[in-house]
Amino acid sequence: GESVGLHLPTLSVQEGDNSIINCAYSNSASDYFIWYKQESGKGPQFIIDIRSNMDKRQGQRVTVLLNKTVKHLSLQIAATQPGDSAVYFCAENIDQAGTALIFGKGTTLSVSS
Amino acid sequence: GAVVSQHPSRVICKSGTSVKIECRSLDFQATTMFWYRQFPKQSLMLMATSNEGSKATYEQGVEKDKFLINHASLTLSTLTVTSAHPEDSSFYICSARDHYRTGGEQYFGPGTRLTVT
Repeated sequence: GESVGLHLPTLSVQEGDNSIINCAYSNSASDYFIWYKQESGKGPQFIIDIRSNMDKRQGQRVTVLLNKTVKHLSLQIAATQPGDSAVYFCAENIDQAGTALIFGKGTTLSVSS
Repeated sequence: GAVVSQHPSRVICKSGTSVKIECRSLDFQATTMFWYRQFPKQSLMLMATSNEGSKATYEQGVEKDKFLINHASLTLSTLTVTSAHPEDSSFYICSARDHYRTGGEQYFGPGTRLTVT
C-alpha cells in the first residue's frame, strides 16, 4: 500500500520547536522498527524502537508512531535542541528471523538557535 | 554494555592494495554481524551478513571475491577490501546481534572511513 506522510530529506526547525520526521517502510512482514541518529563521521546511535504490536511508544523527549496500515513510521522530538542536529534514519526488520536491519532514506535535521 | 568497536577508524590506501577492517563486540558474543556501506549523503546499504563459523551471505551486487568476510570467533568479524579502487572509498559500518538474545536491537560500530587514492 502507499505510505502517507511525506519523507523530507531535510528539516529545519528553531530551537524549542517540536520536530516530526517521517519514514515509509517497505516490508509488510517487518515487525521491529528502530530510529537512529547519525552525526557526521559516526555510526548510527539508537534512539527508540517499537514492535508491530504497538502503535506508539514514548521515550525521553521522543515519541515513535507506527501505522501498519500504510507502512508509515514517524519520530517526534519535543523541544528540539541544537544537539539534536543530525541525520535520522528509520530501520526495519523481521525480529525473530535475526536478519539485518534495512535502513530507510535519512532526514537531515537542522536546529537553529 | 553492548559496545561494538571498529579498527581502524579511518584508513587511506593506494589503488590496487588491500585493506582489512575489524569489527569487535567488546562485551557480548555475536553469532551474527552485519556489514554496511554508506556513501556520502546516502543511507546505510547492507553488504553482507557474517555468521560465525560459516560463509558470509552477500547482498545482490556485492562481489564476494572483492569484499572478503571472515567471522572466526564470536567477537570478531573482518572485512577485507581487496584490490581497492577509488570507487570503494566509503564509510564502512558493522553491527552485531547479541548471541544470547533471540531478538532485539543490533549494536553498531563507529564506522571506518576508507579513502582509496
